[in-house]
Amino acid sequence: QVQLVESGGGLVKPGGSLRLSCAASGFTFNDYYMGWIRQAPGKGLEWVSHINVVGSTISYADSVRGRFTLSRDNAKNSLYLQMNSLSAHDTAVYYCARDPSTGWNPDYYFDLWGQGTLVIVSS
Amino acid sequence: EIVMTQSPATLSVSPGQRVTLSCRASQSVRGDLAWYQQKPGQAPRLLIYGASTRATGIPARFSGSGSGTEFTLTISSLQSGDFAIYFCQQYNNWPQLTFGGGTKVEIK
Repeated sequence: QVQLVESGGGLVKPGGSLRLSCAASGFTFNDYYMGWIRQAPGKGLEWVSHINVVGSTISYADSVRGRFTLSRDNAKNSLYLQMNSLSAHDTAVYYCARDPSTGWNPDYYFDLWGQGTLVIVSS
Repeated sequence: EIVMTQSPATLSVSPGQRVTLSCRASQSVRGDLAWYQQKPGQAPRLLIYGASTRATGIPARFSGSGSGTEFTLTISSLQSGDFAIYFCQQYNNWPQLTFGGGTKVEIK
């Protein structure tokens, strides 16, 4: 079954850290670019970060650059998002998503999404 | 940053009606636009990419059109399972991807 399953969300205090994981199955993970998108409660979608197939090219939204680190382990079919210096503005459901491109360049839209993991930053 | 504006914010319609959703970009994104459907408590689902290409498994009642700054998602005959929030996303200005605020399609 083709799917993405996120984990690692929870309640964290402002200034704290959290590491999200995304487990991929049912497809050849190391063929695809991957990304994270978040959605604050009752709000729209915000792109967070994108990574190429070997993990050598990573891009970040301005709102998280310098605080979040995206990585992948192709041997484990997994994607990770290390989040540091968290604030209330980071409270959201975080979705792991697949970029459908299997070529040299990403497509930058997303054809497969996980169910999301909720991160709440509160004291 | 390219700002994506969707209108209307909410649309009340009856099953069987034709629905037209609008998405406007603050500057040209050429044809680099995707549409997603999100139902309550679920992840978004890709409907359209390249402004007009249906994603795999998407019914033909969904169609996309437009280019540059003006885009439209049309649902030719609304089914009960289509009541959801619809988001557009530009990917021309990569990697700074941006989404619209969404249009909620609700039962009239």
